[in-house]
Amino acid sequence: AQTVTQSQPEMSVQEAETVTLSCTYDTSESDYYLFWYKQPPSRQMILVIRQEAYKQQNATENRFSVNFQKAAKSFSLKISDSQLGDAAMYFCASMDSNYQLIWGAGTKLIIKP
Amino acid sequence: NAGVTQTPKFQVLKTGQSMTLQCAQDMNHEYMSWYRQDPGMGLRLIHYSVGAGITDQGEVPNGYNVSRSTTEDFPLRLLSAAPSQTSVYFCASSYFRLTGELFFGEGSRLTVL
Repeated sequence: AQTVTQSQPEMSVQEAETVTLSCTYDTSESDYYLFWYKQPPSRQMILVIRQEAYKQQNATENRFSVNFQKAAKSFSLKISDSQLGDAAMYFCASMDSNYQLIWGAGTKLIIKP
Repeated sequence: NAGVTQTPKFQVLKTGQSMTLQCAQDMNHEYMSWYRQDPGMGLRLIHYSVGAGITDQGEVPNGYNVSRSTTEDFPLRLLSAAPSQTSVYFCASSYFRLTGELFFGEGSRLTVL
């Protein structure tokens, strides 16, 4: 079965600094999508960034960027200039062959003021 | 624009009781799904639907029932609640499930005593 692993249950970073959240996945598909979702304390999950596996260029959305290494099946999220509003649970997810999302267990990000 | 609306936000049940979690979206999304979120685990798919009249099972369907009579609504029914169903439930929808970009409701916290 396809799996997604987030090895860091919790991370902390000083405000304005950069932090990287790790994610590895396991898929036999040749083309697939990868996602990072953010879940703030309010609980509503929102999409942060998306990567299409056939695209070699790493996706970027403002202060959020990914380091996608297809051969290593690694998909890390970098948050630059961390802000207090970035504090949340971050979930990595990959799409399986049935077009459903497989989710990692999440990383809790703490921002220190 | 309301997005995805879930009710109720909180519910306490006794073992053996039944109930329905309501989910409605106003974005004309064809794809809708129900997930449960448990501590230390990623989201797990319960049931999903790719359009009115079409539903299918996800990873953890046992003890749950769904129907999709309209594009807007996708209720989740607990047939005979068990303590193992204590969880936070999320409804999510998407215009195209292939992209995996899901829009989530705020969640429903269910406790089964």
